[in-house]
Amino acid sequence: EVQLLASGGGLIQPGGSLRLSCAASGFSFSSYAMSWVRQIPGKGLELVSAVTGRGDGPYYADSVKGRFTVSRDNSQNTLYLQMKSLRADDAAVYYCAKCGSSDSCYSPLDPWGQGTLVTVSS
Amino acid sequence: EIVLTQSPGTLSLSPGERATLSCRASQSVSGNSLAWYQQKPGQAPRLVMYGVSSRATGIPDRFSGSGSGTDFTLTISRLEPEDFAVYYCQQYGSSPRTFGQGTKVEIK
Repeated sequence: EVQLLASGGGLIQPGGSLRLSCAASGFSFSSYAMSWVRQIPGKGLELVSAVTGRGDGPYYADSVKGRFTVSRDNSQNTLYLQMKSLRADDAAVYYCAKCGSSDSCYSPLDPWGQGTLVTVSS
Repeated sequence: EIVLTQSPGTLSLSPGERATLSCRASQSVSGNSLAWYQQKPGQAPRLVMYGVSSRATGIPDRFSGSGSGTDFTLTISRLEPEDFAVYYCQQYGSSPRTFGQGTKVEIK
């Protein structure tokens, strides 16, 4: 069974940094691109970042470009999202999700992890 | 950027009734790259449909998808209690990949 377990969320002050992790199991992790999608509670969804199975060709939404960095450790089956210069509008539940191919995330997302909540407040 | 507009915002129906959800794109969706997700309170979204009309693994055949170009529909032929949720469409054919704002299917 494919499982994705996101962690690392919490309360952080504006301007602060946080690193999210997503531990994957049940599939050949390095064979799939992975993504991060966020959701402001009660609101819609935004794909903020994605990375190929090899860990290159990162994608970032304009809203996070220059502040967030996606990476992965295929030896540990783990995806990361390093978030810096956090703002109030970055507060959301962050989900990791598996893409449908190795080279890109131009595919449906399946499955999704359970999400980790990031709160940005002073 | 392709903007996806879902309608209605809320659909109030009874179990056993038919649900028809609409997703309209601001420009043509490349390669029929349109997916639908179901989200229940406190849970992550779950893939329901992809490639416009292909059901994801484990999704019952009361769910069907149709459409092309800019107009897409998710139909649930006979609502079961577990189908009441929020449904989002997503286009994944062009960057940025975007989601609709969701349609809530609630029990009448």
